[in-house]
Amino acid sequence: QKEVEQNSGPLSVPEGAIASLNCTYSDRGSQSFFWYRQYSGKSPELIMSIYSNGDKEDGRFTAQLNKASQYVSLLIRDSQPSDSATYLCAVGLAFGKGNQVVVIP
Amino acid sequence: DTGVSQDPRHKITKRGQNVTFRCDPISEHNRLYWYRQTLGQGPEFLTYFQNEAQLEKSRLLSDRFSAERPKGSFSTLEIQRTEQGDSAMYLCASSPTRDEQYFGPGTRLTVT
Repeated sequence: QKEVEQNSGPLSVPEGAIASLNCTYSDRGSQSFFWYRQYSGKSPELIMSIYSNGDKEDGRFTAQLNKASQYVSLLIRDSQPSDSATYLCAVGLAFGKGNQVVVIP
Repeated sequence: DTGVSQDPRHKITKRGQNVTFRCDPISEHNRLYWYRQTLGQGPEFLTYFQNEAQLEKSRLLSDRFSAERPKGSFSTLEIQRTEQGDSAMYLCASSPTRDEQYFGPGTRLTVT
């Protein structure tokens, strides 16, 4: 069974700081990796996709992929209160349980 | 509105009844996915279609669940003989390619 692990508890960061989220996965043959943001009571929203090793930047978001170590991470720079949400890591069609981020003004 | 739509948004049913949900994907997307999500968990994959072909179905999915996508357009998810454990948010998503998914608002099912 393909597993995606997001083990960190809720993350509280002050406004303007960097939020860092990590995700590991079990299927070494995985080819596609995603981060979704989910506000309370809403459905997931795609924010980043990454397919090859290295970094991918999009605005204040940076996704990092390391296939050898089987992890993918997300950095949120200059965190804003509107970034407060649950962030879901997805590997192929499998999702992790998510990490809650709270940005404190 | 050109996003993914789902109907109904809420469904309350009694245990043992059958329910059917509909999903209309973004028109140019040929891939369509169904997920189930419970509180505090990530979406759990149920099944996906490419055009009208059902390409993958979760082994966790009971035989009580069936999905169709006639003509490769909208899709329906049917749950037969509902159980209380089926209470969840049922999410539909569509994708143009490579599993970048765009989710609909979901159908919240409550089984009493």
